[in-house]
Amino acid sequence: EVQLVASGGGLVQPGRSLRLSCTASDFTFDESVMHWVRQAPGKGLEWVSTMTWDGSSIGYADSVRGRFTISRDNAKNSLYLQMNSLRAEDTAFYYCTKSTRGDSWNPGAWGQGTLVTVSS
Amino acid sequence: DIQMTQSPSTLSASIGDRVTITCRASRSFSTWLAWYQQKPGKAPTVLISKASSLDSGVPSRFRGSGSGTEFTLTITSLQPDDLATYYCLQYDTYPWTFGQGTKVEIK
Repeated sequence: EVQLVASGGGLVQPGRSLRLSCTASDFTFDESVMHWVRQAPGKGLEWVSTMTWDGSSIGYADSVRGRFTISRDNAKNSLYLQMNSLRAEDTAFYYCTKSTRGDSWNPGAWGQGTLVTVSS
Repeated sequence: DIQMTQSPSTLSASIGDRVTITCRASRSFSTWLAWYQQKPGKAPTVLISKASSLDSGVPSRFRGSGSGTEFTLTITSLQPDDLATYYCLQYDTYPWTFGQGTKVEIK
């Protein structure tokens, strides 16, 4: 069964940085399209970022472009999200997800989420 | 950017009812639309990819259709286990965008 374990969340002050990690197992990570999706408490889903297996395609939500950077280390089966200049509105559960179909890039499998709280 | 407008925001239906949720896009695209179900306190699960392709393990009562600017998720016979919030996602063009969600309640 696919395992996606996100970590690195916590309480951080506005303007500071945080790096999320996602450790993947039980699938071929270096062939997978990976994503970050977030959800503020009690609110809807918001797509954050996507990265293909080789980094040839990367996308960001308008709300995070220029502040967040997605990356991956295929040798370590790990996905990352570097979050800079954090704002209160970045407070959310951050889910690490992967595409599960070869013919479609949308998120298919989801991890448990890590909570990021931006507050002074 | 493609904006996704989902309706209704809430619906209440009886067991066995046919339920329809709609997502309208601010501009046309073809097939790169997915539907997700999120139960309270849980991570979302994918129901439909490529507008109408049922994902593995998803009950056949879930059906997706549409193209262009209007996409629909239909639950052909509502079951108690379908109590959840449903979201559409367009992944045709970056930035990808979710609809606002539809909360399905059982009467």
